[in-house]
Amino acid sequence: GAVVSQHPSWVICKSGTSVKIECRSLDFQATTMFWYRQFPKQSLMLMATSNEGSKATYEQGVEKDKFLINHASLTLSTLTVTSAHPEDSSFYICSASFPRAGYNEQFFGPGTRLTVL
Amino acid sequence: AQRVTQPEKLLSVFKGAPVELKCNYSYSGSPELFWYVQYSRQRLQLLLRHISRESIKGFTADLNKGETSFHLKKPFAQEEDSAMYYCALSGRGGGNKLTFGTGTQLKVEL
Repeated sequence: GAVVSQHPSWVICKSGTSVKIECRSLDFQATTMFWYRQFPKQSLMLMATSNEGSKATYEQGVEKDKFLINHASLTLSTLTVTSAHPEDSSFYICSASFPRAGYNEQFFGPGTRLTVL
Repeated sequence: AQRVTQPEKLLSVFKGAPVELKCNYSYSGSPELFWYVQYSRQRLQLLLRHISRESIKGFTADLNKGETSFHLKKPFAQEEDSAMYYCALSGRGGGNKLTFGTGTQLKVEL
């Protein structure tokens, strides 16, 4: 149980285009989802916290107009990278929060590799 | 500000040898500490958390508030332990947000 999927698993796009990444909790409802970014050989950096039905909370330094997050249902959150540029190329990982053993454990998706040409 | 430091990028040990993956943290309040593991070609998954005080796959970790450390230990390394290990911190009342360390690649050699 507690499986999180991401789609697509990888995407290549041209500079200036927008890319949407989906994060789904397959067998549970998640009131909170998180979006992370990971550069090669570096750690996961939290970008934003997404709560169902409300605006996402962005971490300092993350442009909310560039990284649009929508959490329209309890099982789906989307991250749209608008007007992507090569520096946005990265590995994007989502997680969904689910109560387990007395606390809200985060279950991670497999990640999406974005390459902007 | 909260910070997690994992000083070793790579740790190589022989099978059967003890393992200690170091993690130090900086946080002004009472943190929750976690160890996550990522096996080759798999997603990140929780290994253990300090509050549960349990041993998972032979691994244990004790929170030392005096030294602000949460080192991960296993007495006898197994080949299947080879993976990337991340230490993470969640501040109380922080909405379960996680701050990750840079990770340590554990390689268990035969």
